[in-house]
Amino acid sequence: DSGVTQTPKHLITATGQRVTLRCSPRSGDLSVYWYQQSLDQGLQFLIHYYNGEERAKGNILERFSAQQFPDLHSELNLSSLELGDSALYFCASSVAQLGDTQYFGPGTRLTVL
Amino acid sequence: AQTVTQSQPEMSVQEAETVTLSCTYDTSENNYYLFWYKQPPSRQMILVIRQEAYKQQNATENRFSVNFQKAAKSFSLKISDSQLGDTAMYFCAGTGAGSYQLTFGKGTKLSVIP
Repeated sequence: DSGVTQTPKHLITATGQRVTLRCSPRSGDLSVYWYQQSLDQGLQFLIHYYNGEERAKGNILERFSAQQFPDLHSELNLSSLELGDSALYFCASSVAQLGDTQYFGPGTRLTVL
Repeated sequence: AQTVTQSQPEMSVQEAETVTLSCTYDTSENNYYLFWYKQPPSRQMILVIRQEAYKQQNATENRFSVNFQKAAKSFSLKISDSQLGDTAMYFCAGTGAGSYQLTFGKGTKLSVIP
């Protein structure tokens, strides 16, 4: 158990819908990262938040957005869903410094039908 | 690291034997960190080992060790005394200076055969 929690574990929805994935970092970690794992794209970085502020964006679609709240939990919002958005979405957290180990949550499996 | 390459999509090893997984990376930075993560069938991403680029000494964690060749930009993982529980996808990953996020390779699927 990494100490990072993600809900829900599984999500099945239809094209065009909107979903919210939730992540709670390890106690004391200020940084939260979101990654997408798909068969064709592999593991890709989406976005990084540090202590409530966005720090970096990766290959994140405009239909996707995220935020980190004062209690440091984070949410990833995916809208206008397409079949290709089906993937495993991971949240990871780390203390704060460059090179700190990122601890991954169990992931949310999103299936878009 | 800007790019991370794992050239072995699949490998297999006999139980109790030693196996080495390859990884090369490309970066223009001096300060960076490299990692190996394991993803068993449960899909959980588990840290195996971490290497700081400015440290010459190769990192070790029990049966897991790395061969870090900075000039060659190579970062291989050696698993000694392989166990059935080592069966998993193994991902090499790296950070770059100023970029906290991880860049992952495509992974190597390791099967430990009894």
